[in-house]
Parts: sequence; C-alpha cells; structure tokens
Amino acid sequence: AQRVTQPEKLLSVFKGAPVELKCNYSYSGSPELFWYVQYSRQRLQLLLRHISRESIKGFTADLNKGETSFHLKKPFAQEEDSAMYYCALGDNTDKLIFGTGTRLQVFP
Amino acid sequence: ETGVTQSPTHLIKTRGQQVTLRCSSQSGHNTVSWYQQALGQGPQFIFQYYREEENGRGNFPPRFSGLQFPNYSSELNVNALELDDSALYLCASSLRGNNSPLHFGNGTRLTVT
Repeated sequence: AQRVTQPEKLLSVFKGAPVELKCNYSYSGSPELFWYVQYSRQRLQLLLRHISRESIKGFTADLNKGETSFHLKKPFAQEEDSAMYYCALGDNTDKLIFGTGTRLQVFP
Repeated sequence: ETGVTQSPTHLIKTRGQQVTLRCSSQSGHNTVSWYQQALGQGPQFIFQYYREEENGRGNFPPRFSGLQFPNYSSELNVNALELDDSALYLCASSLRGNNSPLHFGNGTRLTVT
C-alpha cells in the first residue's frame, strides 16, 4: 500500500541549529516526492520536489530509494522556518498521498 | 495571476444535511483536486476533475461527488452528512501532467453537528 510516514509531530530547535524532518514512504513504483509547507495563516504551498534537486529557502531533500526516505534538511534554522511541513508522495496520477505532518518550531 | 479561491470559508451543517463547496482554480490551470483534512491529519485525496470528468478517486463513499465546469471551477457536494465529515476541505488546482505542483486554496472549514 502507498503510504507516507512522518514520525515526528513536533520538532523544536533553536535558531541556527540544524534541522532534519523525517519522511519515509512505501510505494512499489518509481515515486515522486514532495515537501509542502504551511506557514501560520497561509495556505499550503509547495516547498520543493525531488526531481528539481534544488535548494529552496536553504532546505534540501534527497530521495534515498534504498531507505525509502525523503528527509528534509536545513543546516541553520531560522525563526521564519516555523511552520507545518508535509511530505507527499505522487503516484504519477496527479494524486498526492500526504503524511500527517511535522510542526517545526524554531526558537530565538 | 489569480490564485485558488474557495467559498465559503466556514460552514456549519446538521447531520443528514447536504452541502456544496465551491472552488475557483488558478488561472491557466485545467485540473482540480479536492482533499479532506481532518484535525491533526494530512490532507486526504477525495477526487480529481479534468475536462469536466472525474479523473481518479480516493477512498471516499459515493455521497461525496463533484463537478467541474467549462471555466475549470469546481464544486464538491456531500450528501447525508455525518459527524466524521467535519474537516477542512481543500481544493487544489494544477496543470495536467505527471505530478505537476498543486496550488491550494485556503480551504472550507465544515462542522457537522
């Protein structure tokens, strides 16, 4: 079955600390992985996708097919990174399967 | 560029009633998807519409139905409302293509009492 697991509901760090939000997936085909972010009082929006292989707002994510993971990382967290982060799996039908989300709190 | 707009923002209904939620897609987008987000959960795929036809459906009963109009706007209808239907309903538009990014609206908060 297709599934996305985000094991942490809440991740709290201090400004300047490294951040890693975990995401594991279950999918038999060739996956498309995404990270979506929802800042306070804003709509859900795309942060990055694995096929782009780019860094957005200092965040990167590498698809590890062996470990079926797509962890989101940032070397130095900023207060403005505080938000809800959702990992999502695309099954090549334009449907996304979302994880339950991780709330990132960055303290000053 | 006009973003995805949803109406109403909030709605309270009684169990057994019917509800219609509306969504205007982002300009240039031809595909609309609907998601249900229960409290503390991630969005769950309900269905998607392309060229005014349902193009994929998640694990939701037939009392969840939808429409897409020629201008790509869409409606989500839910009949015989149940308490568990209380959730945030998100509409997302995209340009058809494998896993093209979804652009979400702010959602409609439905409360069923």
